[in-house]
Amino acid sequence: GAVVSQHPSRVICKSGTSVKIECRSLDFQATTMFWYRQFPKQSLMLMATSNEGSKATYEQGVEKDKFLINHASLTLSTLTVTSAHPEDSSFYICSALGGGGETQYFGPGTRLLVL
Amino acid sequence: DAKTTQPTSMDCAEGRAANLPCNHSTISGNEYVYWYRQIHSQGPQYIIHGLKNNETNEMASLIITEDRKSSTLILPHATLRDTAVYYCIVLSAGGTSYGKLTFGQGTILTVHP
Repeated sequence: GAVVSQHPSRVICKSGTSVKIECRSLDFQATTMFWYRQFPKQSLMLMATSNEGSKATYEQGVEKDKFLINHASLTLSTLTVTSAHPEDSSFYICSALGGGGETQYFGPGTRLLVL
Repeated sequence: DAKTTQPTSMDCAEGRAANLPCNHSTISGNEYVYWYRQIHSQGPQYIIHGLKNNETNEMASLIITEDRKSSTLILPHATLRDTAVYYCIVLSAGGTSYGKLTFGQGTILTVHP
């Protein structure tokens, strides 16, 4: 149980384009999902908290207009990186709070490379 | 949330127990201790969590000291697949920080044949 998937697992795009990443909780409903970013040889950094049916809450220093988050259902949250630039290249990971509401379960991550 | 301190790296022989320590001396009464691990190029994997009592599941055991200022994650029979970065995280049970995990640098555990 408590499986979280992400799609795509890897994406390469040109500078200036937008990229959408999907995060799904496969066997439980998640009212709260989180988005993290991880640069090489660094730890995970929380970007935003996504609550179903409401606006996401962004961490300090994360541009909400650049990283659009939508949490339209209890099993799906999407992160759209708008007008991507090479410095946005990173490993993006989502997580979902489990049914009991205590434990976060993570997706496998999406590696984004912006050329 | 309380800050945690972990050794940067540890080694363990395959088949032996791996004991990973974590200091969280500023932990407060309603904060849980969570352990996750991250194998290279994958998302973090939940291992175990606890509040006051020791906990055990199919993956590991968590020993929390009586004063709750430190804990130890025990992998009873380490395998090569247990090589990963292990994160000890203290998490509030409620409030505005509810659910927010703050990842430190963790401990790089290397299991040797």
